[in-house]
Amino acid sequence: DADVTQTPRNRITKTGKRIMLECSQTKGHDRMYWYRQDPGLGLRLIYYSFDVKDINKGEISDGYSVSRQAQAKFSLSLESAIPNQTALYFCATSDFGQTKSYNEQFFGPGTRLTVL
Amino acid sequence: DAKTTQPPSMDCAEGRAANLPCNHSTISGNEYVYWYRQIHSQGPQYIIHGLKNNETNEMASLIITEDRKSSTLILPHATLRDTAVYYCIVRVKNRDDKIIFGKGTRLHILP
Repeated sequence: DADVTQTPRNRITKTGKRIMLECSQTKGHDRMYWYRQDPGLGLRLIYYSFDVKDINKGEISDGYSVSRQAQAKFSLSLESAIPNQTALYFCATSDFGQTKSYNEQFFGPGTRLTVL
Repeated sequence: DAKTTQPPSMDCAEGRAANLPCNHSTISGNEYVYWYRQIHSQGPQYIIHGLKNNETNEMASLIITEDRKSSTLILPHATLRDTAVYYCIVRVKNRDDKIIFGKGTRLHILP
């Protein structure tokens, strides 16, 4: 969905490096999420945010941090990347309101991260 | 949120109806059934959701049993582009909004 963009789309880095993945959305949604996906597995929730002042840990937050700089932007950081953080990372947004589609999550195209 | 059970994979001939089952025997009264799909390495895409009544939209139909312990997603005329992993999720609508994805069903549409 072009309304949710992620940068970079691909990144190769080395163990110990700090990495930031960025997510932007033009849907006007309050809620944003970061997921990771490993080969053959479903998506797992890392962090989520219900508004600019709200940050919550998901299933697998260890080794990650996030920043909600504005309603439209939600960044995921790996302070010191390690090889087992090699995965596909997805950002998502949702609208908690009265629209017909609320609670539906809209996903970005993903960032493929490789940690050597 | 209640857990779901789906077959790991299914095949369906192109042009036929694809029926994807999901068991959610511990579903609570206020939990909805949601379906998403993920086409190879793309972001998941919402398909449909329902509480207890059957639902239909332009993509699919959702049939929920009367006891709500299972449901079936129906793609009425499957095409090759419907090849994807399909996730059945149960969650409370209007609460914390998290989605916990399982492994889903890998649907192969055969030409």
